[in-house]
Amino acid sequence: GAVVSQHPSWVICKSGTSVKIECRSLDFQATTMFWYRQFPKQSLMLMATSNEGSKATYEQGVEKDKFLINHASLTLSTLTVTSAHPEDSSFYICSAEGRTGGNQPQHFGDGTRLSIL
Amino acid sequence: DAKTTQPNSMESNEEEPVHLPCNHSTISGTDYIHWYRQLPSQGPEYVIHGLTSNVNNRMASLAIAEDRKSSTLILHRATLRDAAVYYCILSRDSGGGADGLTFGKGTHLIIQP
Repeated sequence: GAVVSQHPSWVICKSGTSVKIECRSLDFQATTMFWYRQFPKQSLMLMATSNEGSKATYEQGVEKDKFLINHASLTLSTLTVTSAHPEDSSFYICSAEGRTGGNQPQHFGDGTRLSIL
Repeated sequence: DAKTTQPNSMESNEEEPVHLPCNHSTISGTDYIHWYRQLPSQGPEYVIHGLTSNVNNRMASLAIAEDRKSSTLILHRATLRDAAVYYCILSRDSGGGADGLTFGKGTHLIIQP
């Protein structure tokens, strides 16, 4: 089945650091990838839609200058949390649709747990 | 987006069937019903999806009401590894590109040995 790999699995860093998270589709090409955030004991919240070769689309309330998304190829999207602060500590998860056409399921990475000290 | 309503939690015994309900009374004609589950500290995992007809796969079955206002995810024989939060999500087929998913609170399934 379709596999999405996310790296790193966890990050601990100091306040003010920028952190880059990678999301790769290993066995399929993904024109569109999605980034979600999940705080403890809460559900996933969609942050942005990452489109290959064009600008990402951000959900309301998500700062595009804070969360930089790059989708330079059909198999890789990156999320950079710039100048991270403790309130950015969360579980970040990416997903991709396995193939285009119709209403296909999404395949999720295993998430990146970000802890800002 | 059309909303779904699920019980906060359910409990079942190992090796017994589990029926997880979902209400989606405002579903539109182009909304697919998707189910995902999330184990602790992992990303969600796709379980099953359907539009109108009941669906079966190796993981589960999906029973969709005739009026499509509710559906039930059926795990035929629960194991301890099925303990997870189960999300019922409506995904609209707009005919264009993919859309992000709107997750509700889901149902926390507890499996007793």
